[in-house]
Amino acid sequence: AQSVTQLDSQVPVFEEAPVELRCNYSSSVSVYLFWYVQYPNQGLQLLLKYLSGSTLVKGINGFEAEFNKSQTSFHLRKPSVHISDTAEYFCAVSDGGGKLIFGQGTELSVKP
Amino acid sequence: NAGVTQTPKFQVLKTGQSMTLQCAQDMNHNSMYWYRQDPGMGLRLIYYSASEGTTDKGEVPNGYNVSRLNKREFSLRLESAAPSQTSVYFCASSRGPNYEQYFGPGTRLTVT
Repeated sequence: AQSVTQLDSQVPVFEEAPVELRCNYSSSVSVYLFWYVQYPNQGLQLLLKYLSGSTLVKGINGFEAEFNKSQTSFHLRKPSVHISDTAEYFCAVSDGGGKLIFGQGTELSVKP
Repeated sequence: NAGVTQTPKFQVLKTGQSMTLQCAQDMNHNSMYWYRQDPGMGLRLIYYSASEGTTDKGEVPNGYNVSRLNKREFSLRLESAAPSQTSVYFCASSRGPNYEQYFGPGTRLTVT
């Protein structure tokens, strides 16, 4: 069975600093990878996705992620964070059958 | 477009009571999903409907039933609520497998 591990449950960072949220997945087949963001008391919103093609994927709000097949990783990065980026971030993998497996989430806390 | 809507937003039940959570989407999506979100566990798939007329179990289906009423609507029923079903429930929809999922705002359910 597929699984997704987000390596950090909480990431505190100062405003304008770079950030990386780490995600590893276990799968031996082709995968489709997603990052979602959840602001307090809201549903999830898609940040970016990798289906095929270029391994560097750009998303909304200045985020990007790199698919690394050999390391089975899909880390999320932003070069300079804002207070408004404070939220919970979820990595998810699909096996192509339509079901998403989510990681446990990473709480990003941006401090002034 | 409203996207994905869910009712109610909040609900408190006593153990043994039943209720139905409603979900509707106006994006003409084929696939719909129900998840539950618990602290530190990410989102877990309860049931999904790949297309109108089909439903299938996800990771945590016990204690729940679903109905894909038509292409727009997908309901989740708790026949006899238990405290372990206290959670936040999210409905999502997508064009089909491998496409990104769009989430509703969630229903916060407490079972006492």
